[in-house]
Amino acid sequence: GIQVEQSPPDLILQEGANSTLRCNFSDSVNNLQWFHQNPWGQLINLFYIPSGTKQNGRLSATTVATERYSLLYISSSQTTDSGVYFCAGPHNNDMRFGAGTRLTVKP
Amino acid sequence: GAGVSQSPRYKVTKRGQDVALRCDPISGHVSLYWYRQALGQGPEFLTYFNYEAQQDKSGLPNDRFSAERPEGSISTLTIQRTEQRDSAMYRCASSLGLAGGFDTGELFFGEGSRLTVL
Repeated sequence: GIQVEQSPPDLILQEGANSTLRCNFSDSVNNLQWFHQNPWGQLINLFYIPSGTKQNGRLSATTVATERYSLLYISSSQTTDSGVYFCAGPHNNDMRFGAGTRLTVKP
Repeated sequence: GAGVSQSPRYKVTKRGQDVALRCDPISGHVSLYWYRQALGQGPEFLTYFNYEAQQDKSGLPNDRFSAERPEGSISTLTIQRTEQRDSAMYRCASSLGLAGGFDTGELFFGEGSRLTVL
């Protein structure tokens, strides 16, 4: 099945800094999702993106399906951005997750 | 409902007991998924349903785990004779169509059921 690799595994930022999180897939994907797991354990939907770029406020995501990767950009980070960011890609008719990037934003 | 609802939110049980975890998907969502998440890891696929049909149960760890969705809406994940290694967050998700589909495959998760087996 599809393998999902995320990098970096851990990231520590100062408030206000920008960051880029990466998700690599072992096979081509026709859709993928980015999630934020907040400190209370909730999985929050960020983007559902087959290809190209989507933006939502300070966050944006770019997927290059032919090269099997996606990038999540966080600009002007805030302490509330802390948590774990997961990407997931389709495998048959379910979604498979990476191990996540743990982001800590310090005030 | 407005979102995916799971119950109980927390369950503490003794080794050897059976537990049942419930999931009520978003109204109108035909696909329902169960995942298990250990601490510090990503969600791991267990099984999924399309309407009431269980389409893939390849992720269930062993035959102590079973799931049903008899009327194509609410689903129950049952773990028999629980063991300490079953302790984890169990997450349910639903999607309008099959996951990964172009317009209808976005997954929406509930808040999870945290199981602790003593």
